Amino acid sequence: AQTVTQSQPEMSVQEAETVTLSCTYDTSESDYYLFWYKQPPSRQMILVIRQEAYKQQNATENRFSVNFQKAAKSFSLKISDSQLGDAAMYFCAYRSPLIQGAQKLVFGQGTRLTINP
Amino acid sequence: DTEVTQTPKHLVMGMTNKKSLKCEQHMGHRAMYWYKQKAKKPPELMFVYSYEKLSINESVPSRFSPECPNSSLLNLHLHALQPEDSALYLCASSPHRTSGGAIPQETQYFGPGTRLLVL
Repeated sequence: AQTVTQSQPEMSVQEAETVTLSCTYDTSESDYYLFWYKQPPSRQMILVIRQEAYKQQNATENRFSVNFQKAAKSFSLKISDSQLGDAAMYFCAYRSPLIQGAQKLVFGQGTRLTINP
Repeated sequence: DTEVTQTPKHLVMGMTNKKSLKCEQHMGHRAMYWYKQKAKKPPELMFVYSYEKLSINESVPSRFSPECPNSSLLNLHLHALQPEDSALYLCASSPHRTSGGAIPQETQYFGPGTRLLVL
């Protein structure tokens, strides 16, 4: 079974600085998808960024980028120029192979990110 | 439009009550999901519907009964719940393989959730 591990329960960063959140996963599949979701205090799960395993190029979305190391099964999230609105719980997720036409997400335990003004 | 809506936002119910949670999306997605999330924990998958058929049931107790009346609507019927069922219930949807055989998009879009309190 696939597992996702986020080893940092909490992180903090100064506003405007850069922070990196770690994620490792375990799978025997070669083709899969990885995601970072953000959950602010409102508790709405918001997609931050996604990465296709078959793509070597790291995904980027504005201030958010990933460092995808397929051989090491590592998928870290870098947030540049941190803003107060980035404060949230961040979940790393792995999409398992389709089961009867539907996908299943496996989540890590989450990293709570605090932004210090 | 990437919006999934859920009603109600908050729900308080007694252990003998019957209530329902509702989830709706108009993005043409053909897979819909129910998750349960306890405080400070990741979401846990409960049910998955694909093309209005139940495809995954993660061994959820029968006091939770899902229903997918059509491709846009997903319900979760609640009956005889326990206080430990108090949680945030999240709905999500995702696109599916197109009729042309294109690779499906891989992203699940979540609703804002229903905060359930069982007394």
